[in-house]
Parts: sequence; C-alpha cells; structure tokens
Amino acid sequence: KAGVTQTPRYLIKTRGQQVTLSCSPISGHRSVSWYQQTPGQGLQFLFEYFSETQRNKGNFPGRFSGRQFSNSRSEMNVSTLELGDSALYLCASSPGTSGLNNEQYFGPGTRLTVT
Amino acid sequence: GEDVEQSLFLSVREGDSSVINCTYTDSSSTYLYWYKQEPGAGLQLLTYIFSNMDMKQDQRLTVLLNKKDKHLSLRIADTQTGDSAIYFCAEFSRTGNQFYFGTGTSLTVIP
Repeated sequence: KAGVTQTPRYLIKTRGQQVTLSCSPISGHRSVSWYQQTPGQGLQFLFEYFSETQRNKGNFPGRFSGRQFSNSRSEMNVSTLELGDSALYLCASSPGTSGLNNEQYFGPGTRLTVT
Repeated sequence: GEDVEQSLFLSVREGDSSVINCTYTDSSSTYLYWYKQEPGAGLQLLTYIFSNMDMKQDQRLTVLLNKKDKHLSLRIADTQTGDSAIYFCAEFSRTGNQFYFGTGTSLTVIP
C-alpha cells in the first residue's frame, strides 16, 4: 500500500496570507489527524477527521481549520498567517475503527515558513 | 493536556545498547507507542505495547512498561549509526480521546 502523502512538501508564505495543505491517507484509512511540530513546542495535536466529520480538536485558534472529503483526503487551512505558524505540519492516518489500538501512520510533512 | 516526558538527548557507541525512557501521566492510556523521526522526515511507527503487557520484543527492539509508575522504555540492542534519529513516545488518552507525544529524545550513535 502507498503511504501517507502530503503536498506541498515546502511552502514559503508572507505574514497575513492564508495557506492550504493537503494530505492523502493510506488507502482504506478513514481517520486523518493533523499535528504541528516546532522545536519549542514539540508535536501538538491540531484536529482529527473521520468520515468527513471533525471528531476531535486541539487547542489552536480558529485560524486553523480543516476538512475531509468523501475519499478521506484531508486539507487544513491556516488564515492570516503569523510568524509563529512556521512549523512542520504532519498528517497521520489510521484505520479509525472503534478498536482501542489506533496506530497512526505519518506522512513526510509540509514545512511551512512564514516571513 | 496529558504530560509525556522524555530526556532530550542520548549518546551511545555503535554496538552498545540504547535505552530511551518515557514517563506519562494518563492512567487511561490503553496503548503506548514508539516512533522514530529521521531528519526531514515524518514519524515512523516502530512498535507499540498494550497497557496490560509488561514487555514486548520485536527484533532489536524491546519495550518495557511499568504501568504502576507510568514508565515506558525502549531498548535498542546493537545500536547502529542508522539508528541515529529522534525517538518519540506517545500515548492514546481515552480521557482526551487523542494522542499525546513526548518531547522526543535525540539519539546520537558514535561510530
């Protein structure tokens, strides 16, 4: 099976702009989670989508949003970019079933730099 | 949120064993995970352990879980230079219904 893919891999934006990142999960996986990784804060959970519905959300401002399509592909959007949004954004997919083990498989990430 | 703590750095000689430690706070965690991140890459799932197990072995990797002390460790036998990476432990919190990751331990293997 192909792994989790994320596009683009690198992105440079200016403060105040908005950005959309894309994630294609492993075939058959219905859950997609997004994380922000920075040197200072480590990995922080943004949100999780399952069957096109946001199932869980971390503590990020409303500028961060996401959605999931019927084919399980997901996008996340950040509006009014700030310098502090510079980070590696990781997407993870999992089967998302009700079982207790929900091991996640990560994509390579999108490196966002805000100038 | 839940706290998952790891030491930041570990340095070992090639061929020695590495032990990476992790402590967590959420007693509702059912599965605990170890991930590896190489430079410029995403996280790779290495192994996981169910909370009612004490130990799990997978080739060179041994996971030990002390549920009473909420302590998890990853032992890498015969450490190789290719094992140099950042290692993250993670728990799935049933309380928070999300994953919590540790700060990551940067393992350096000296040839």
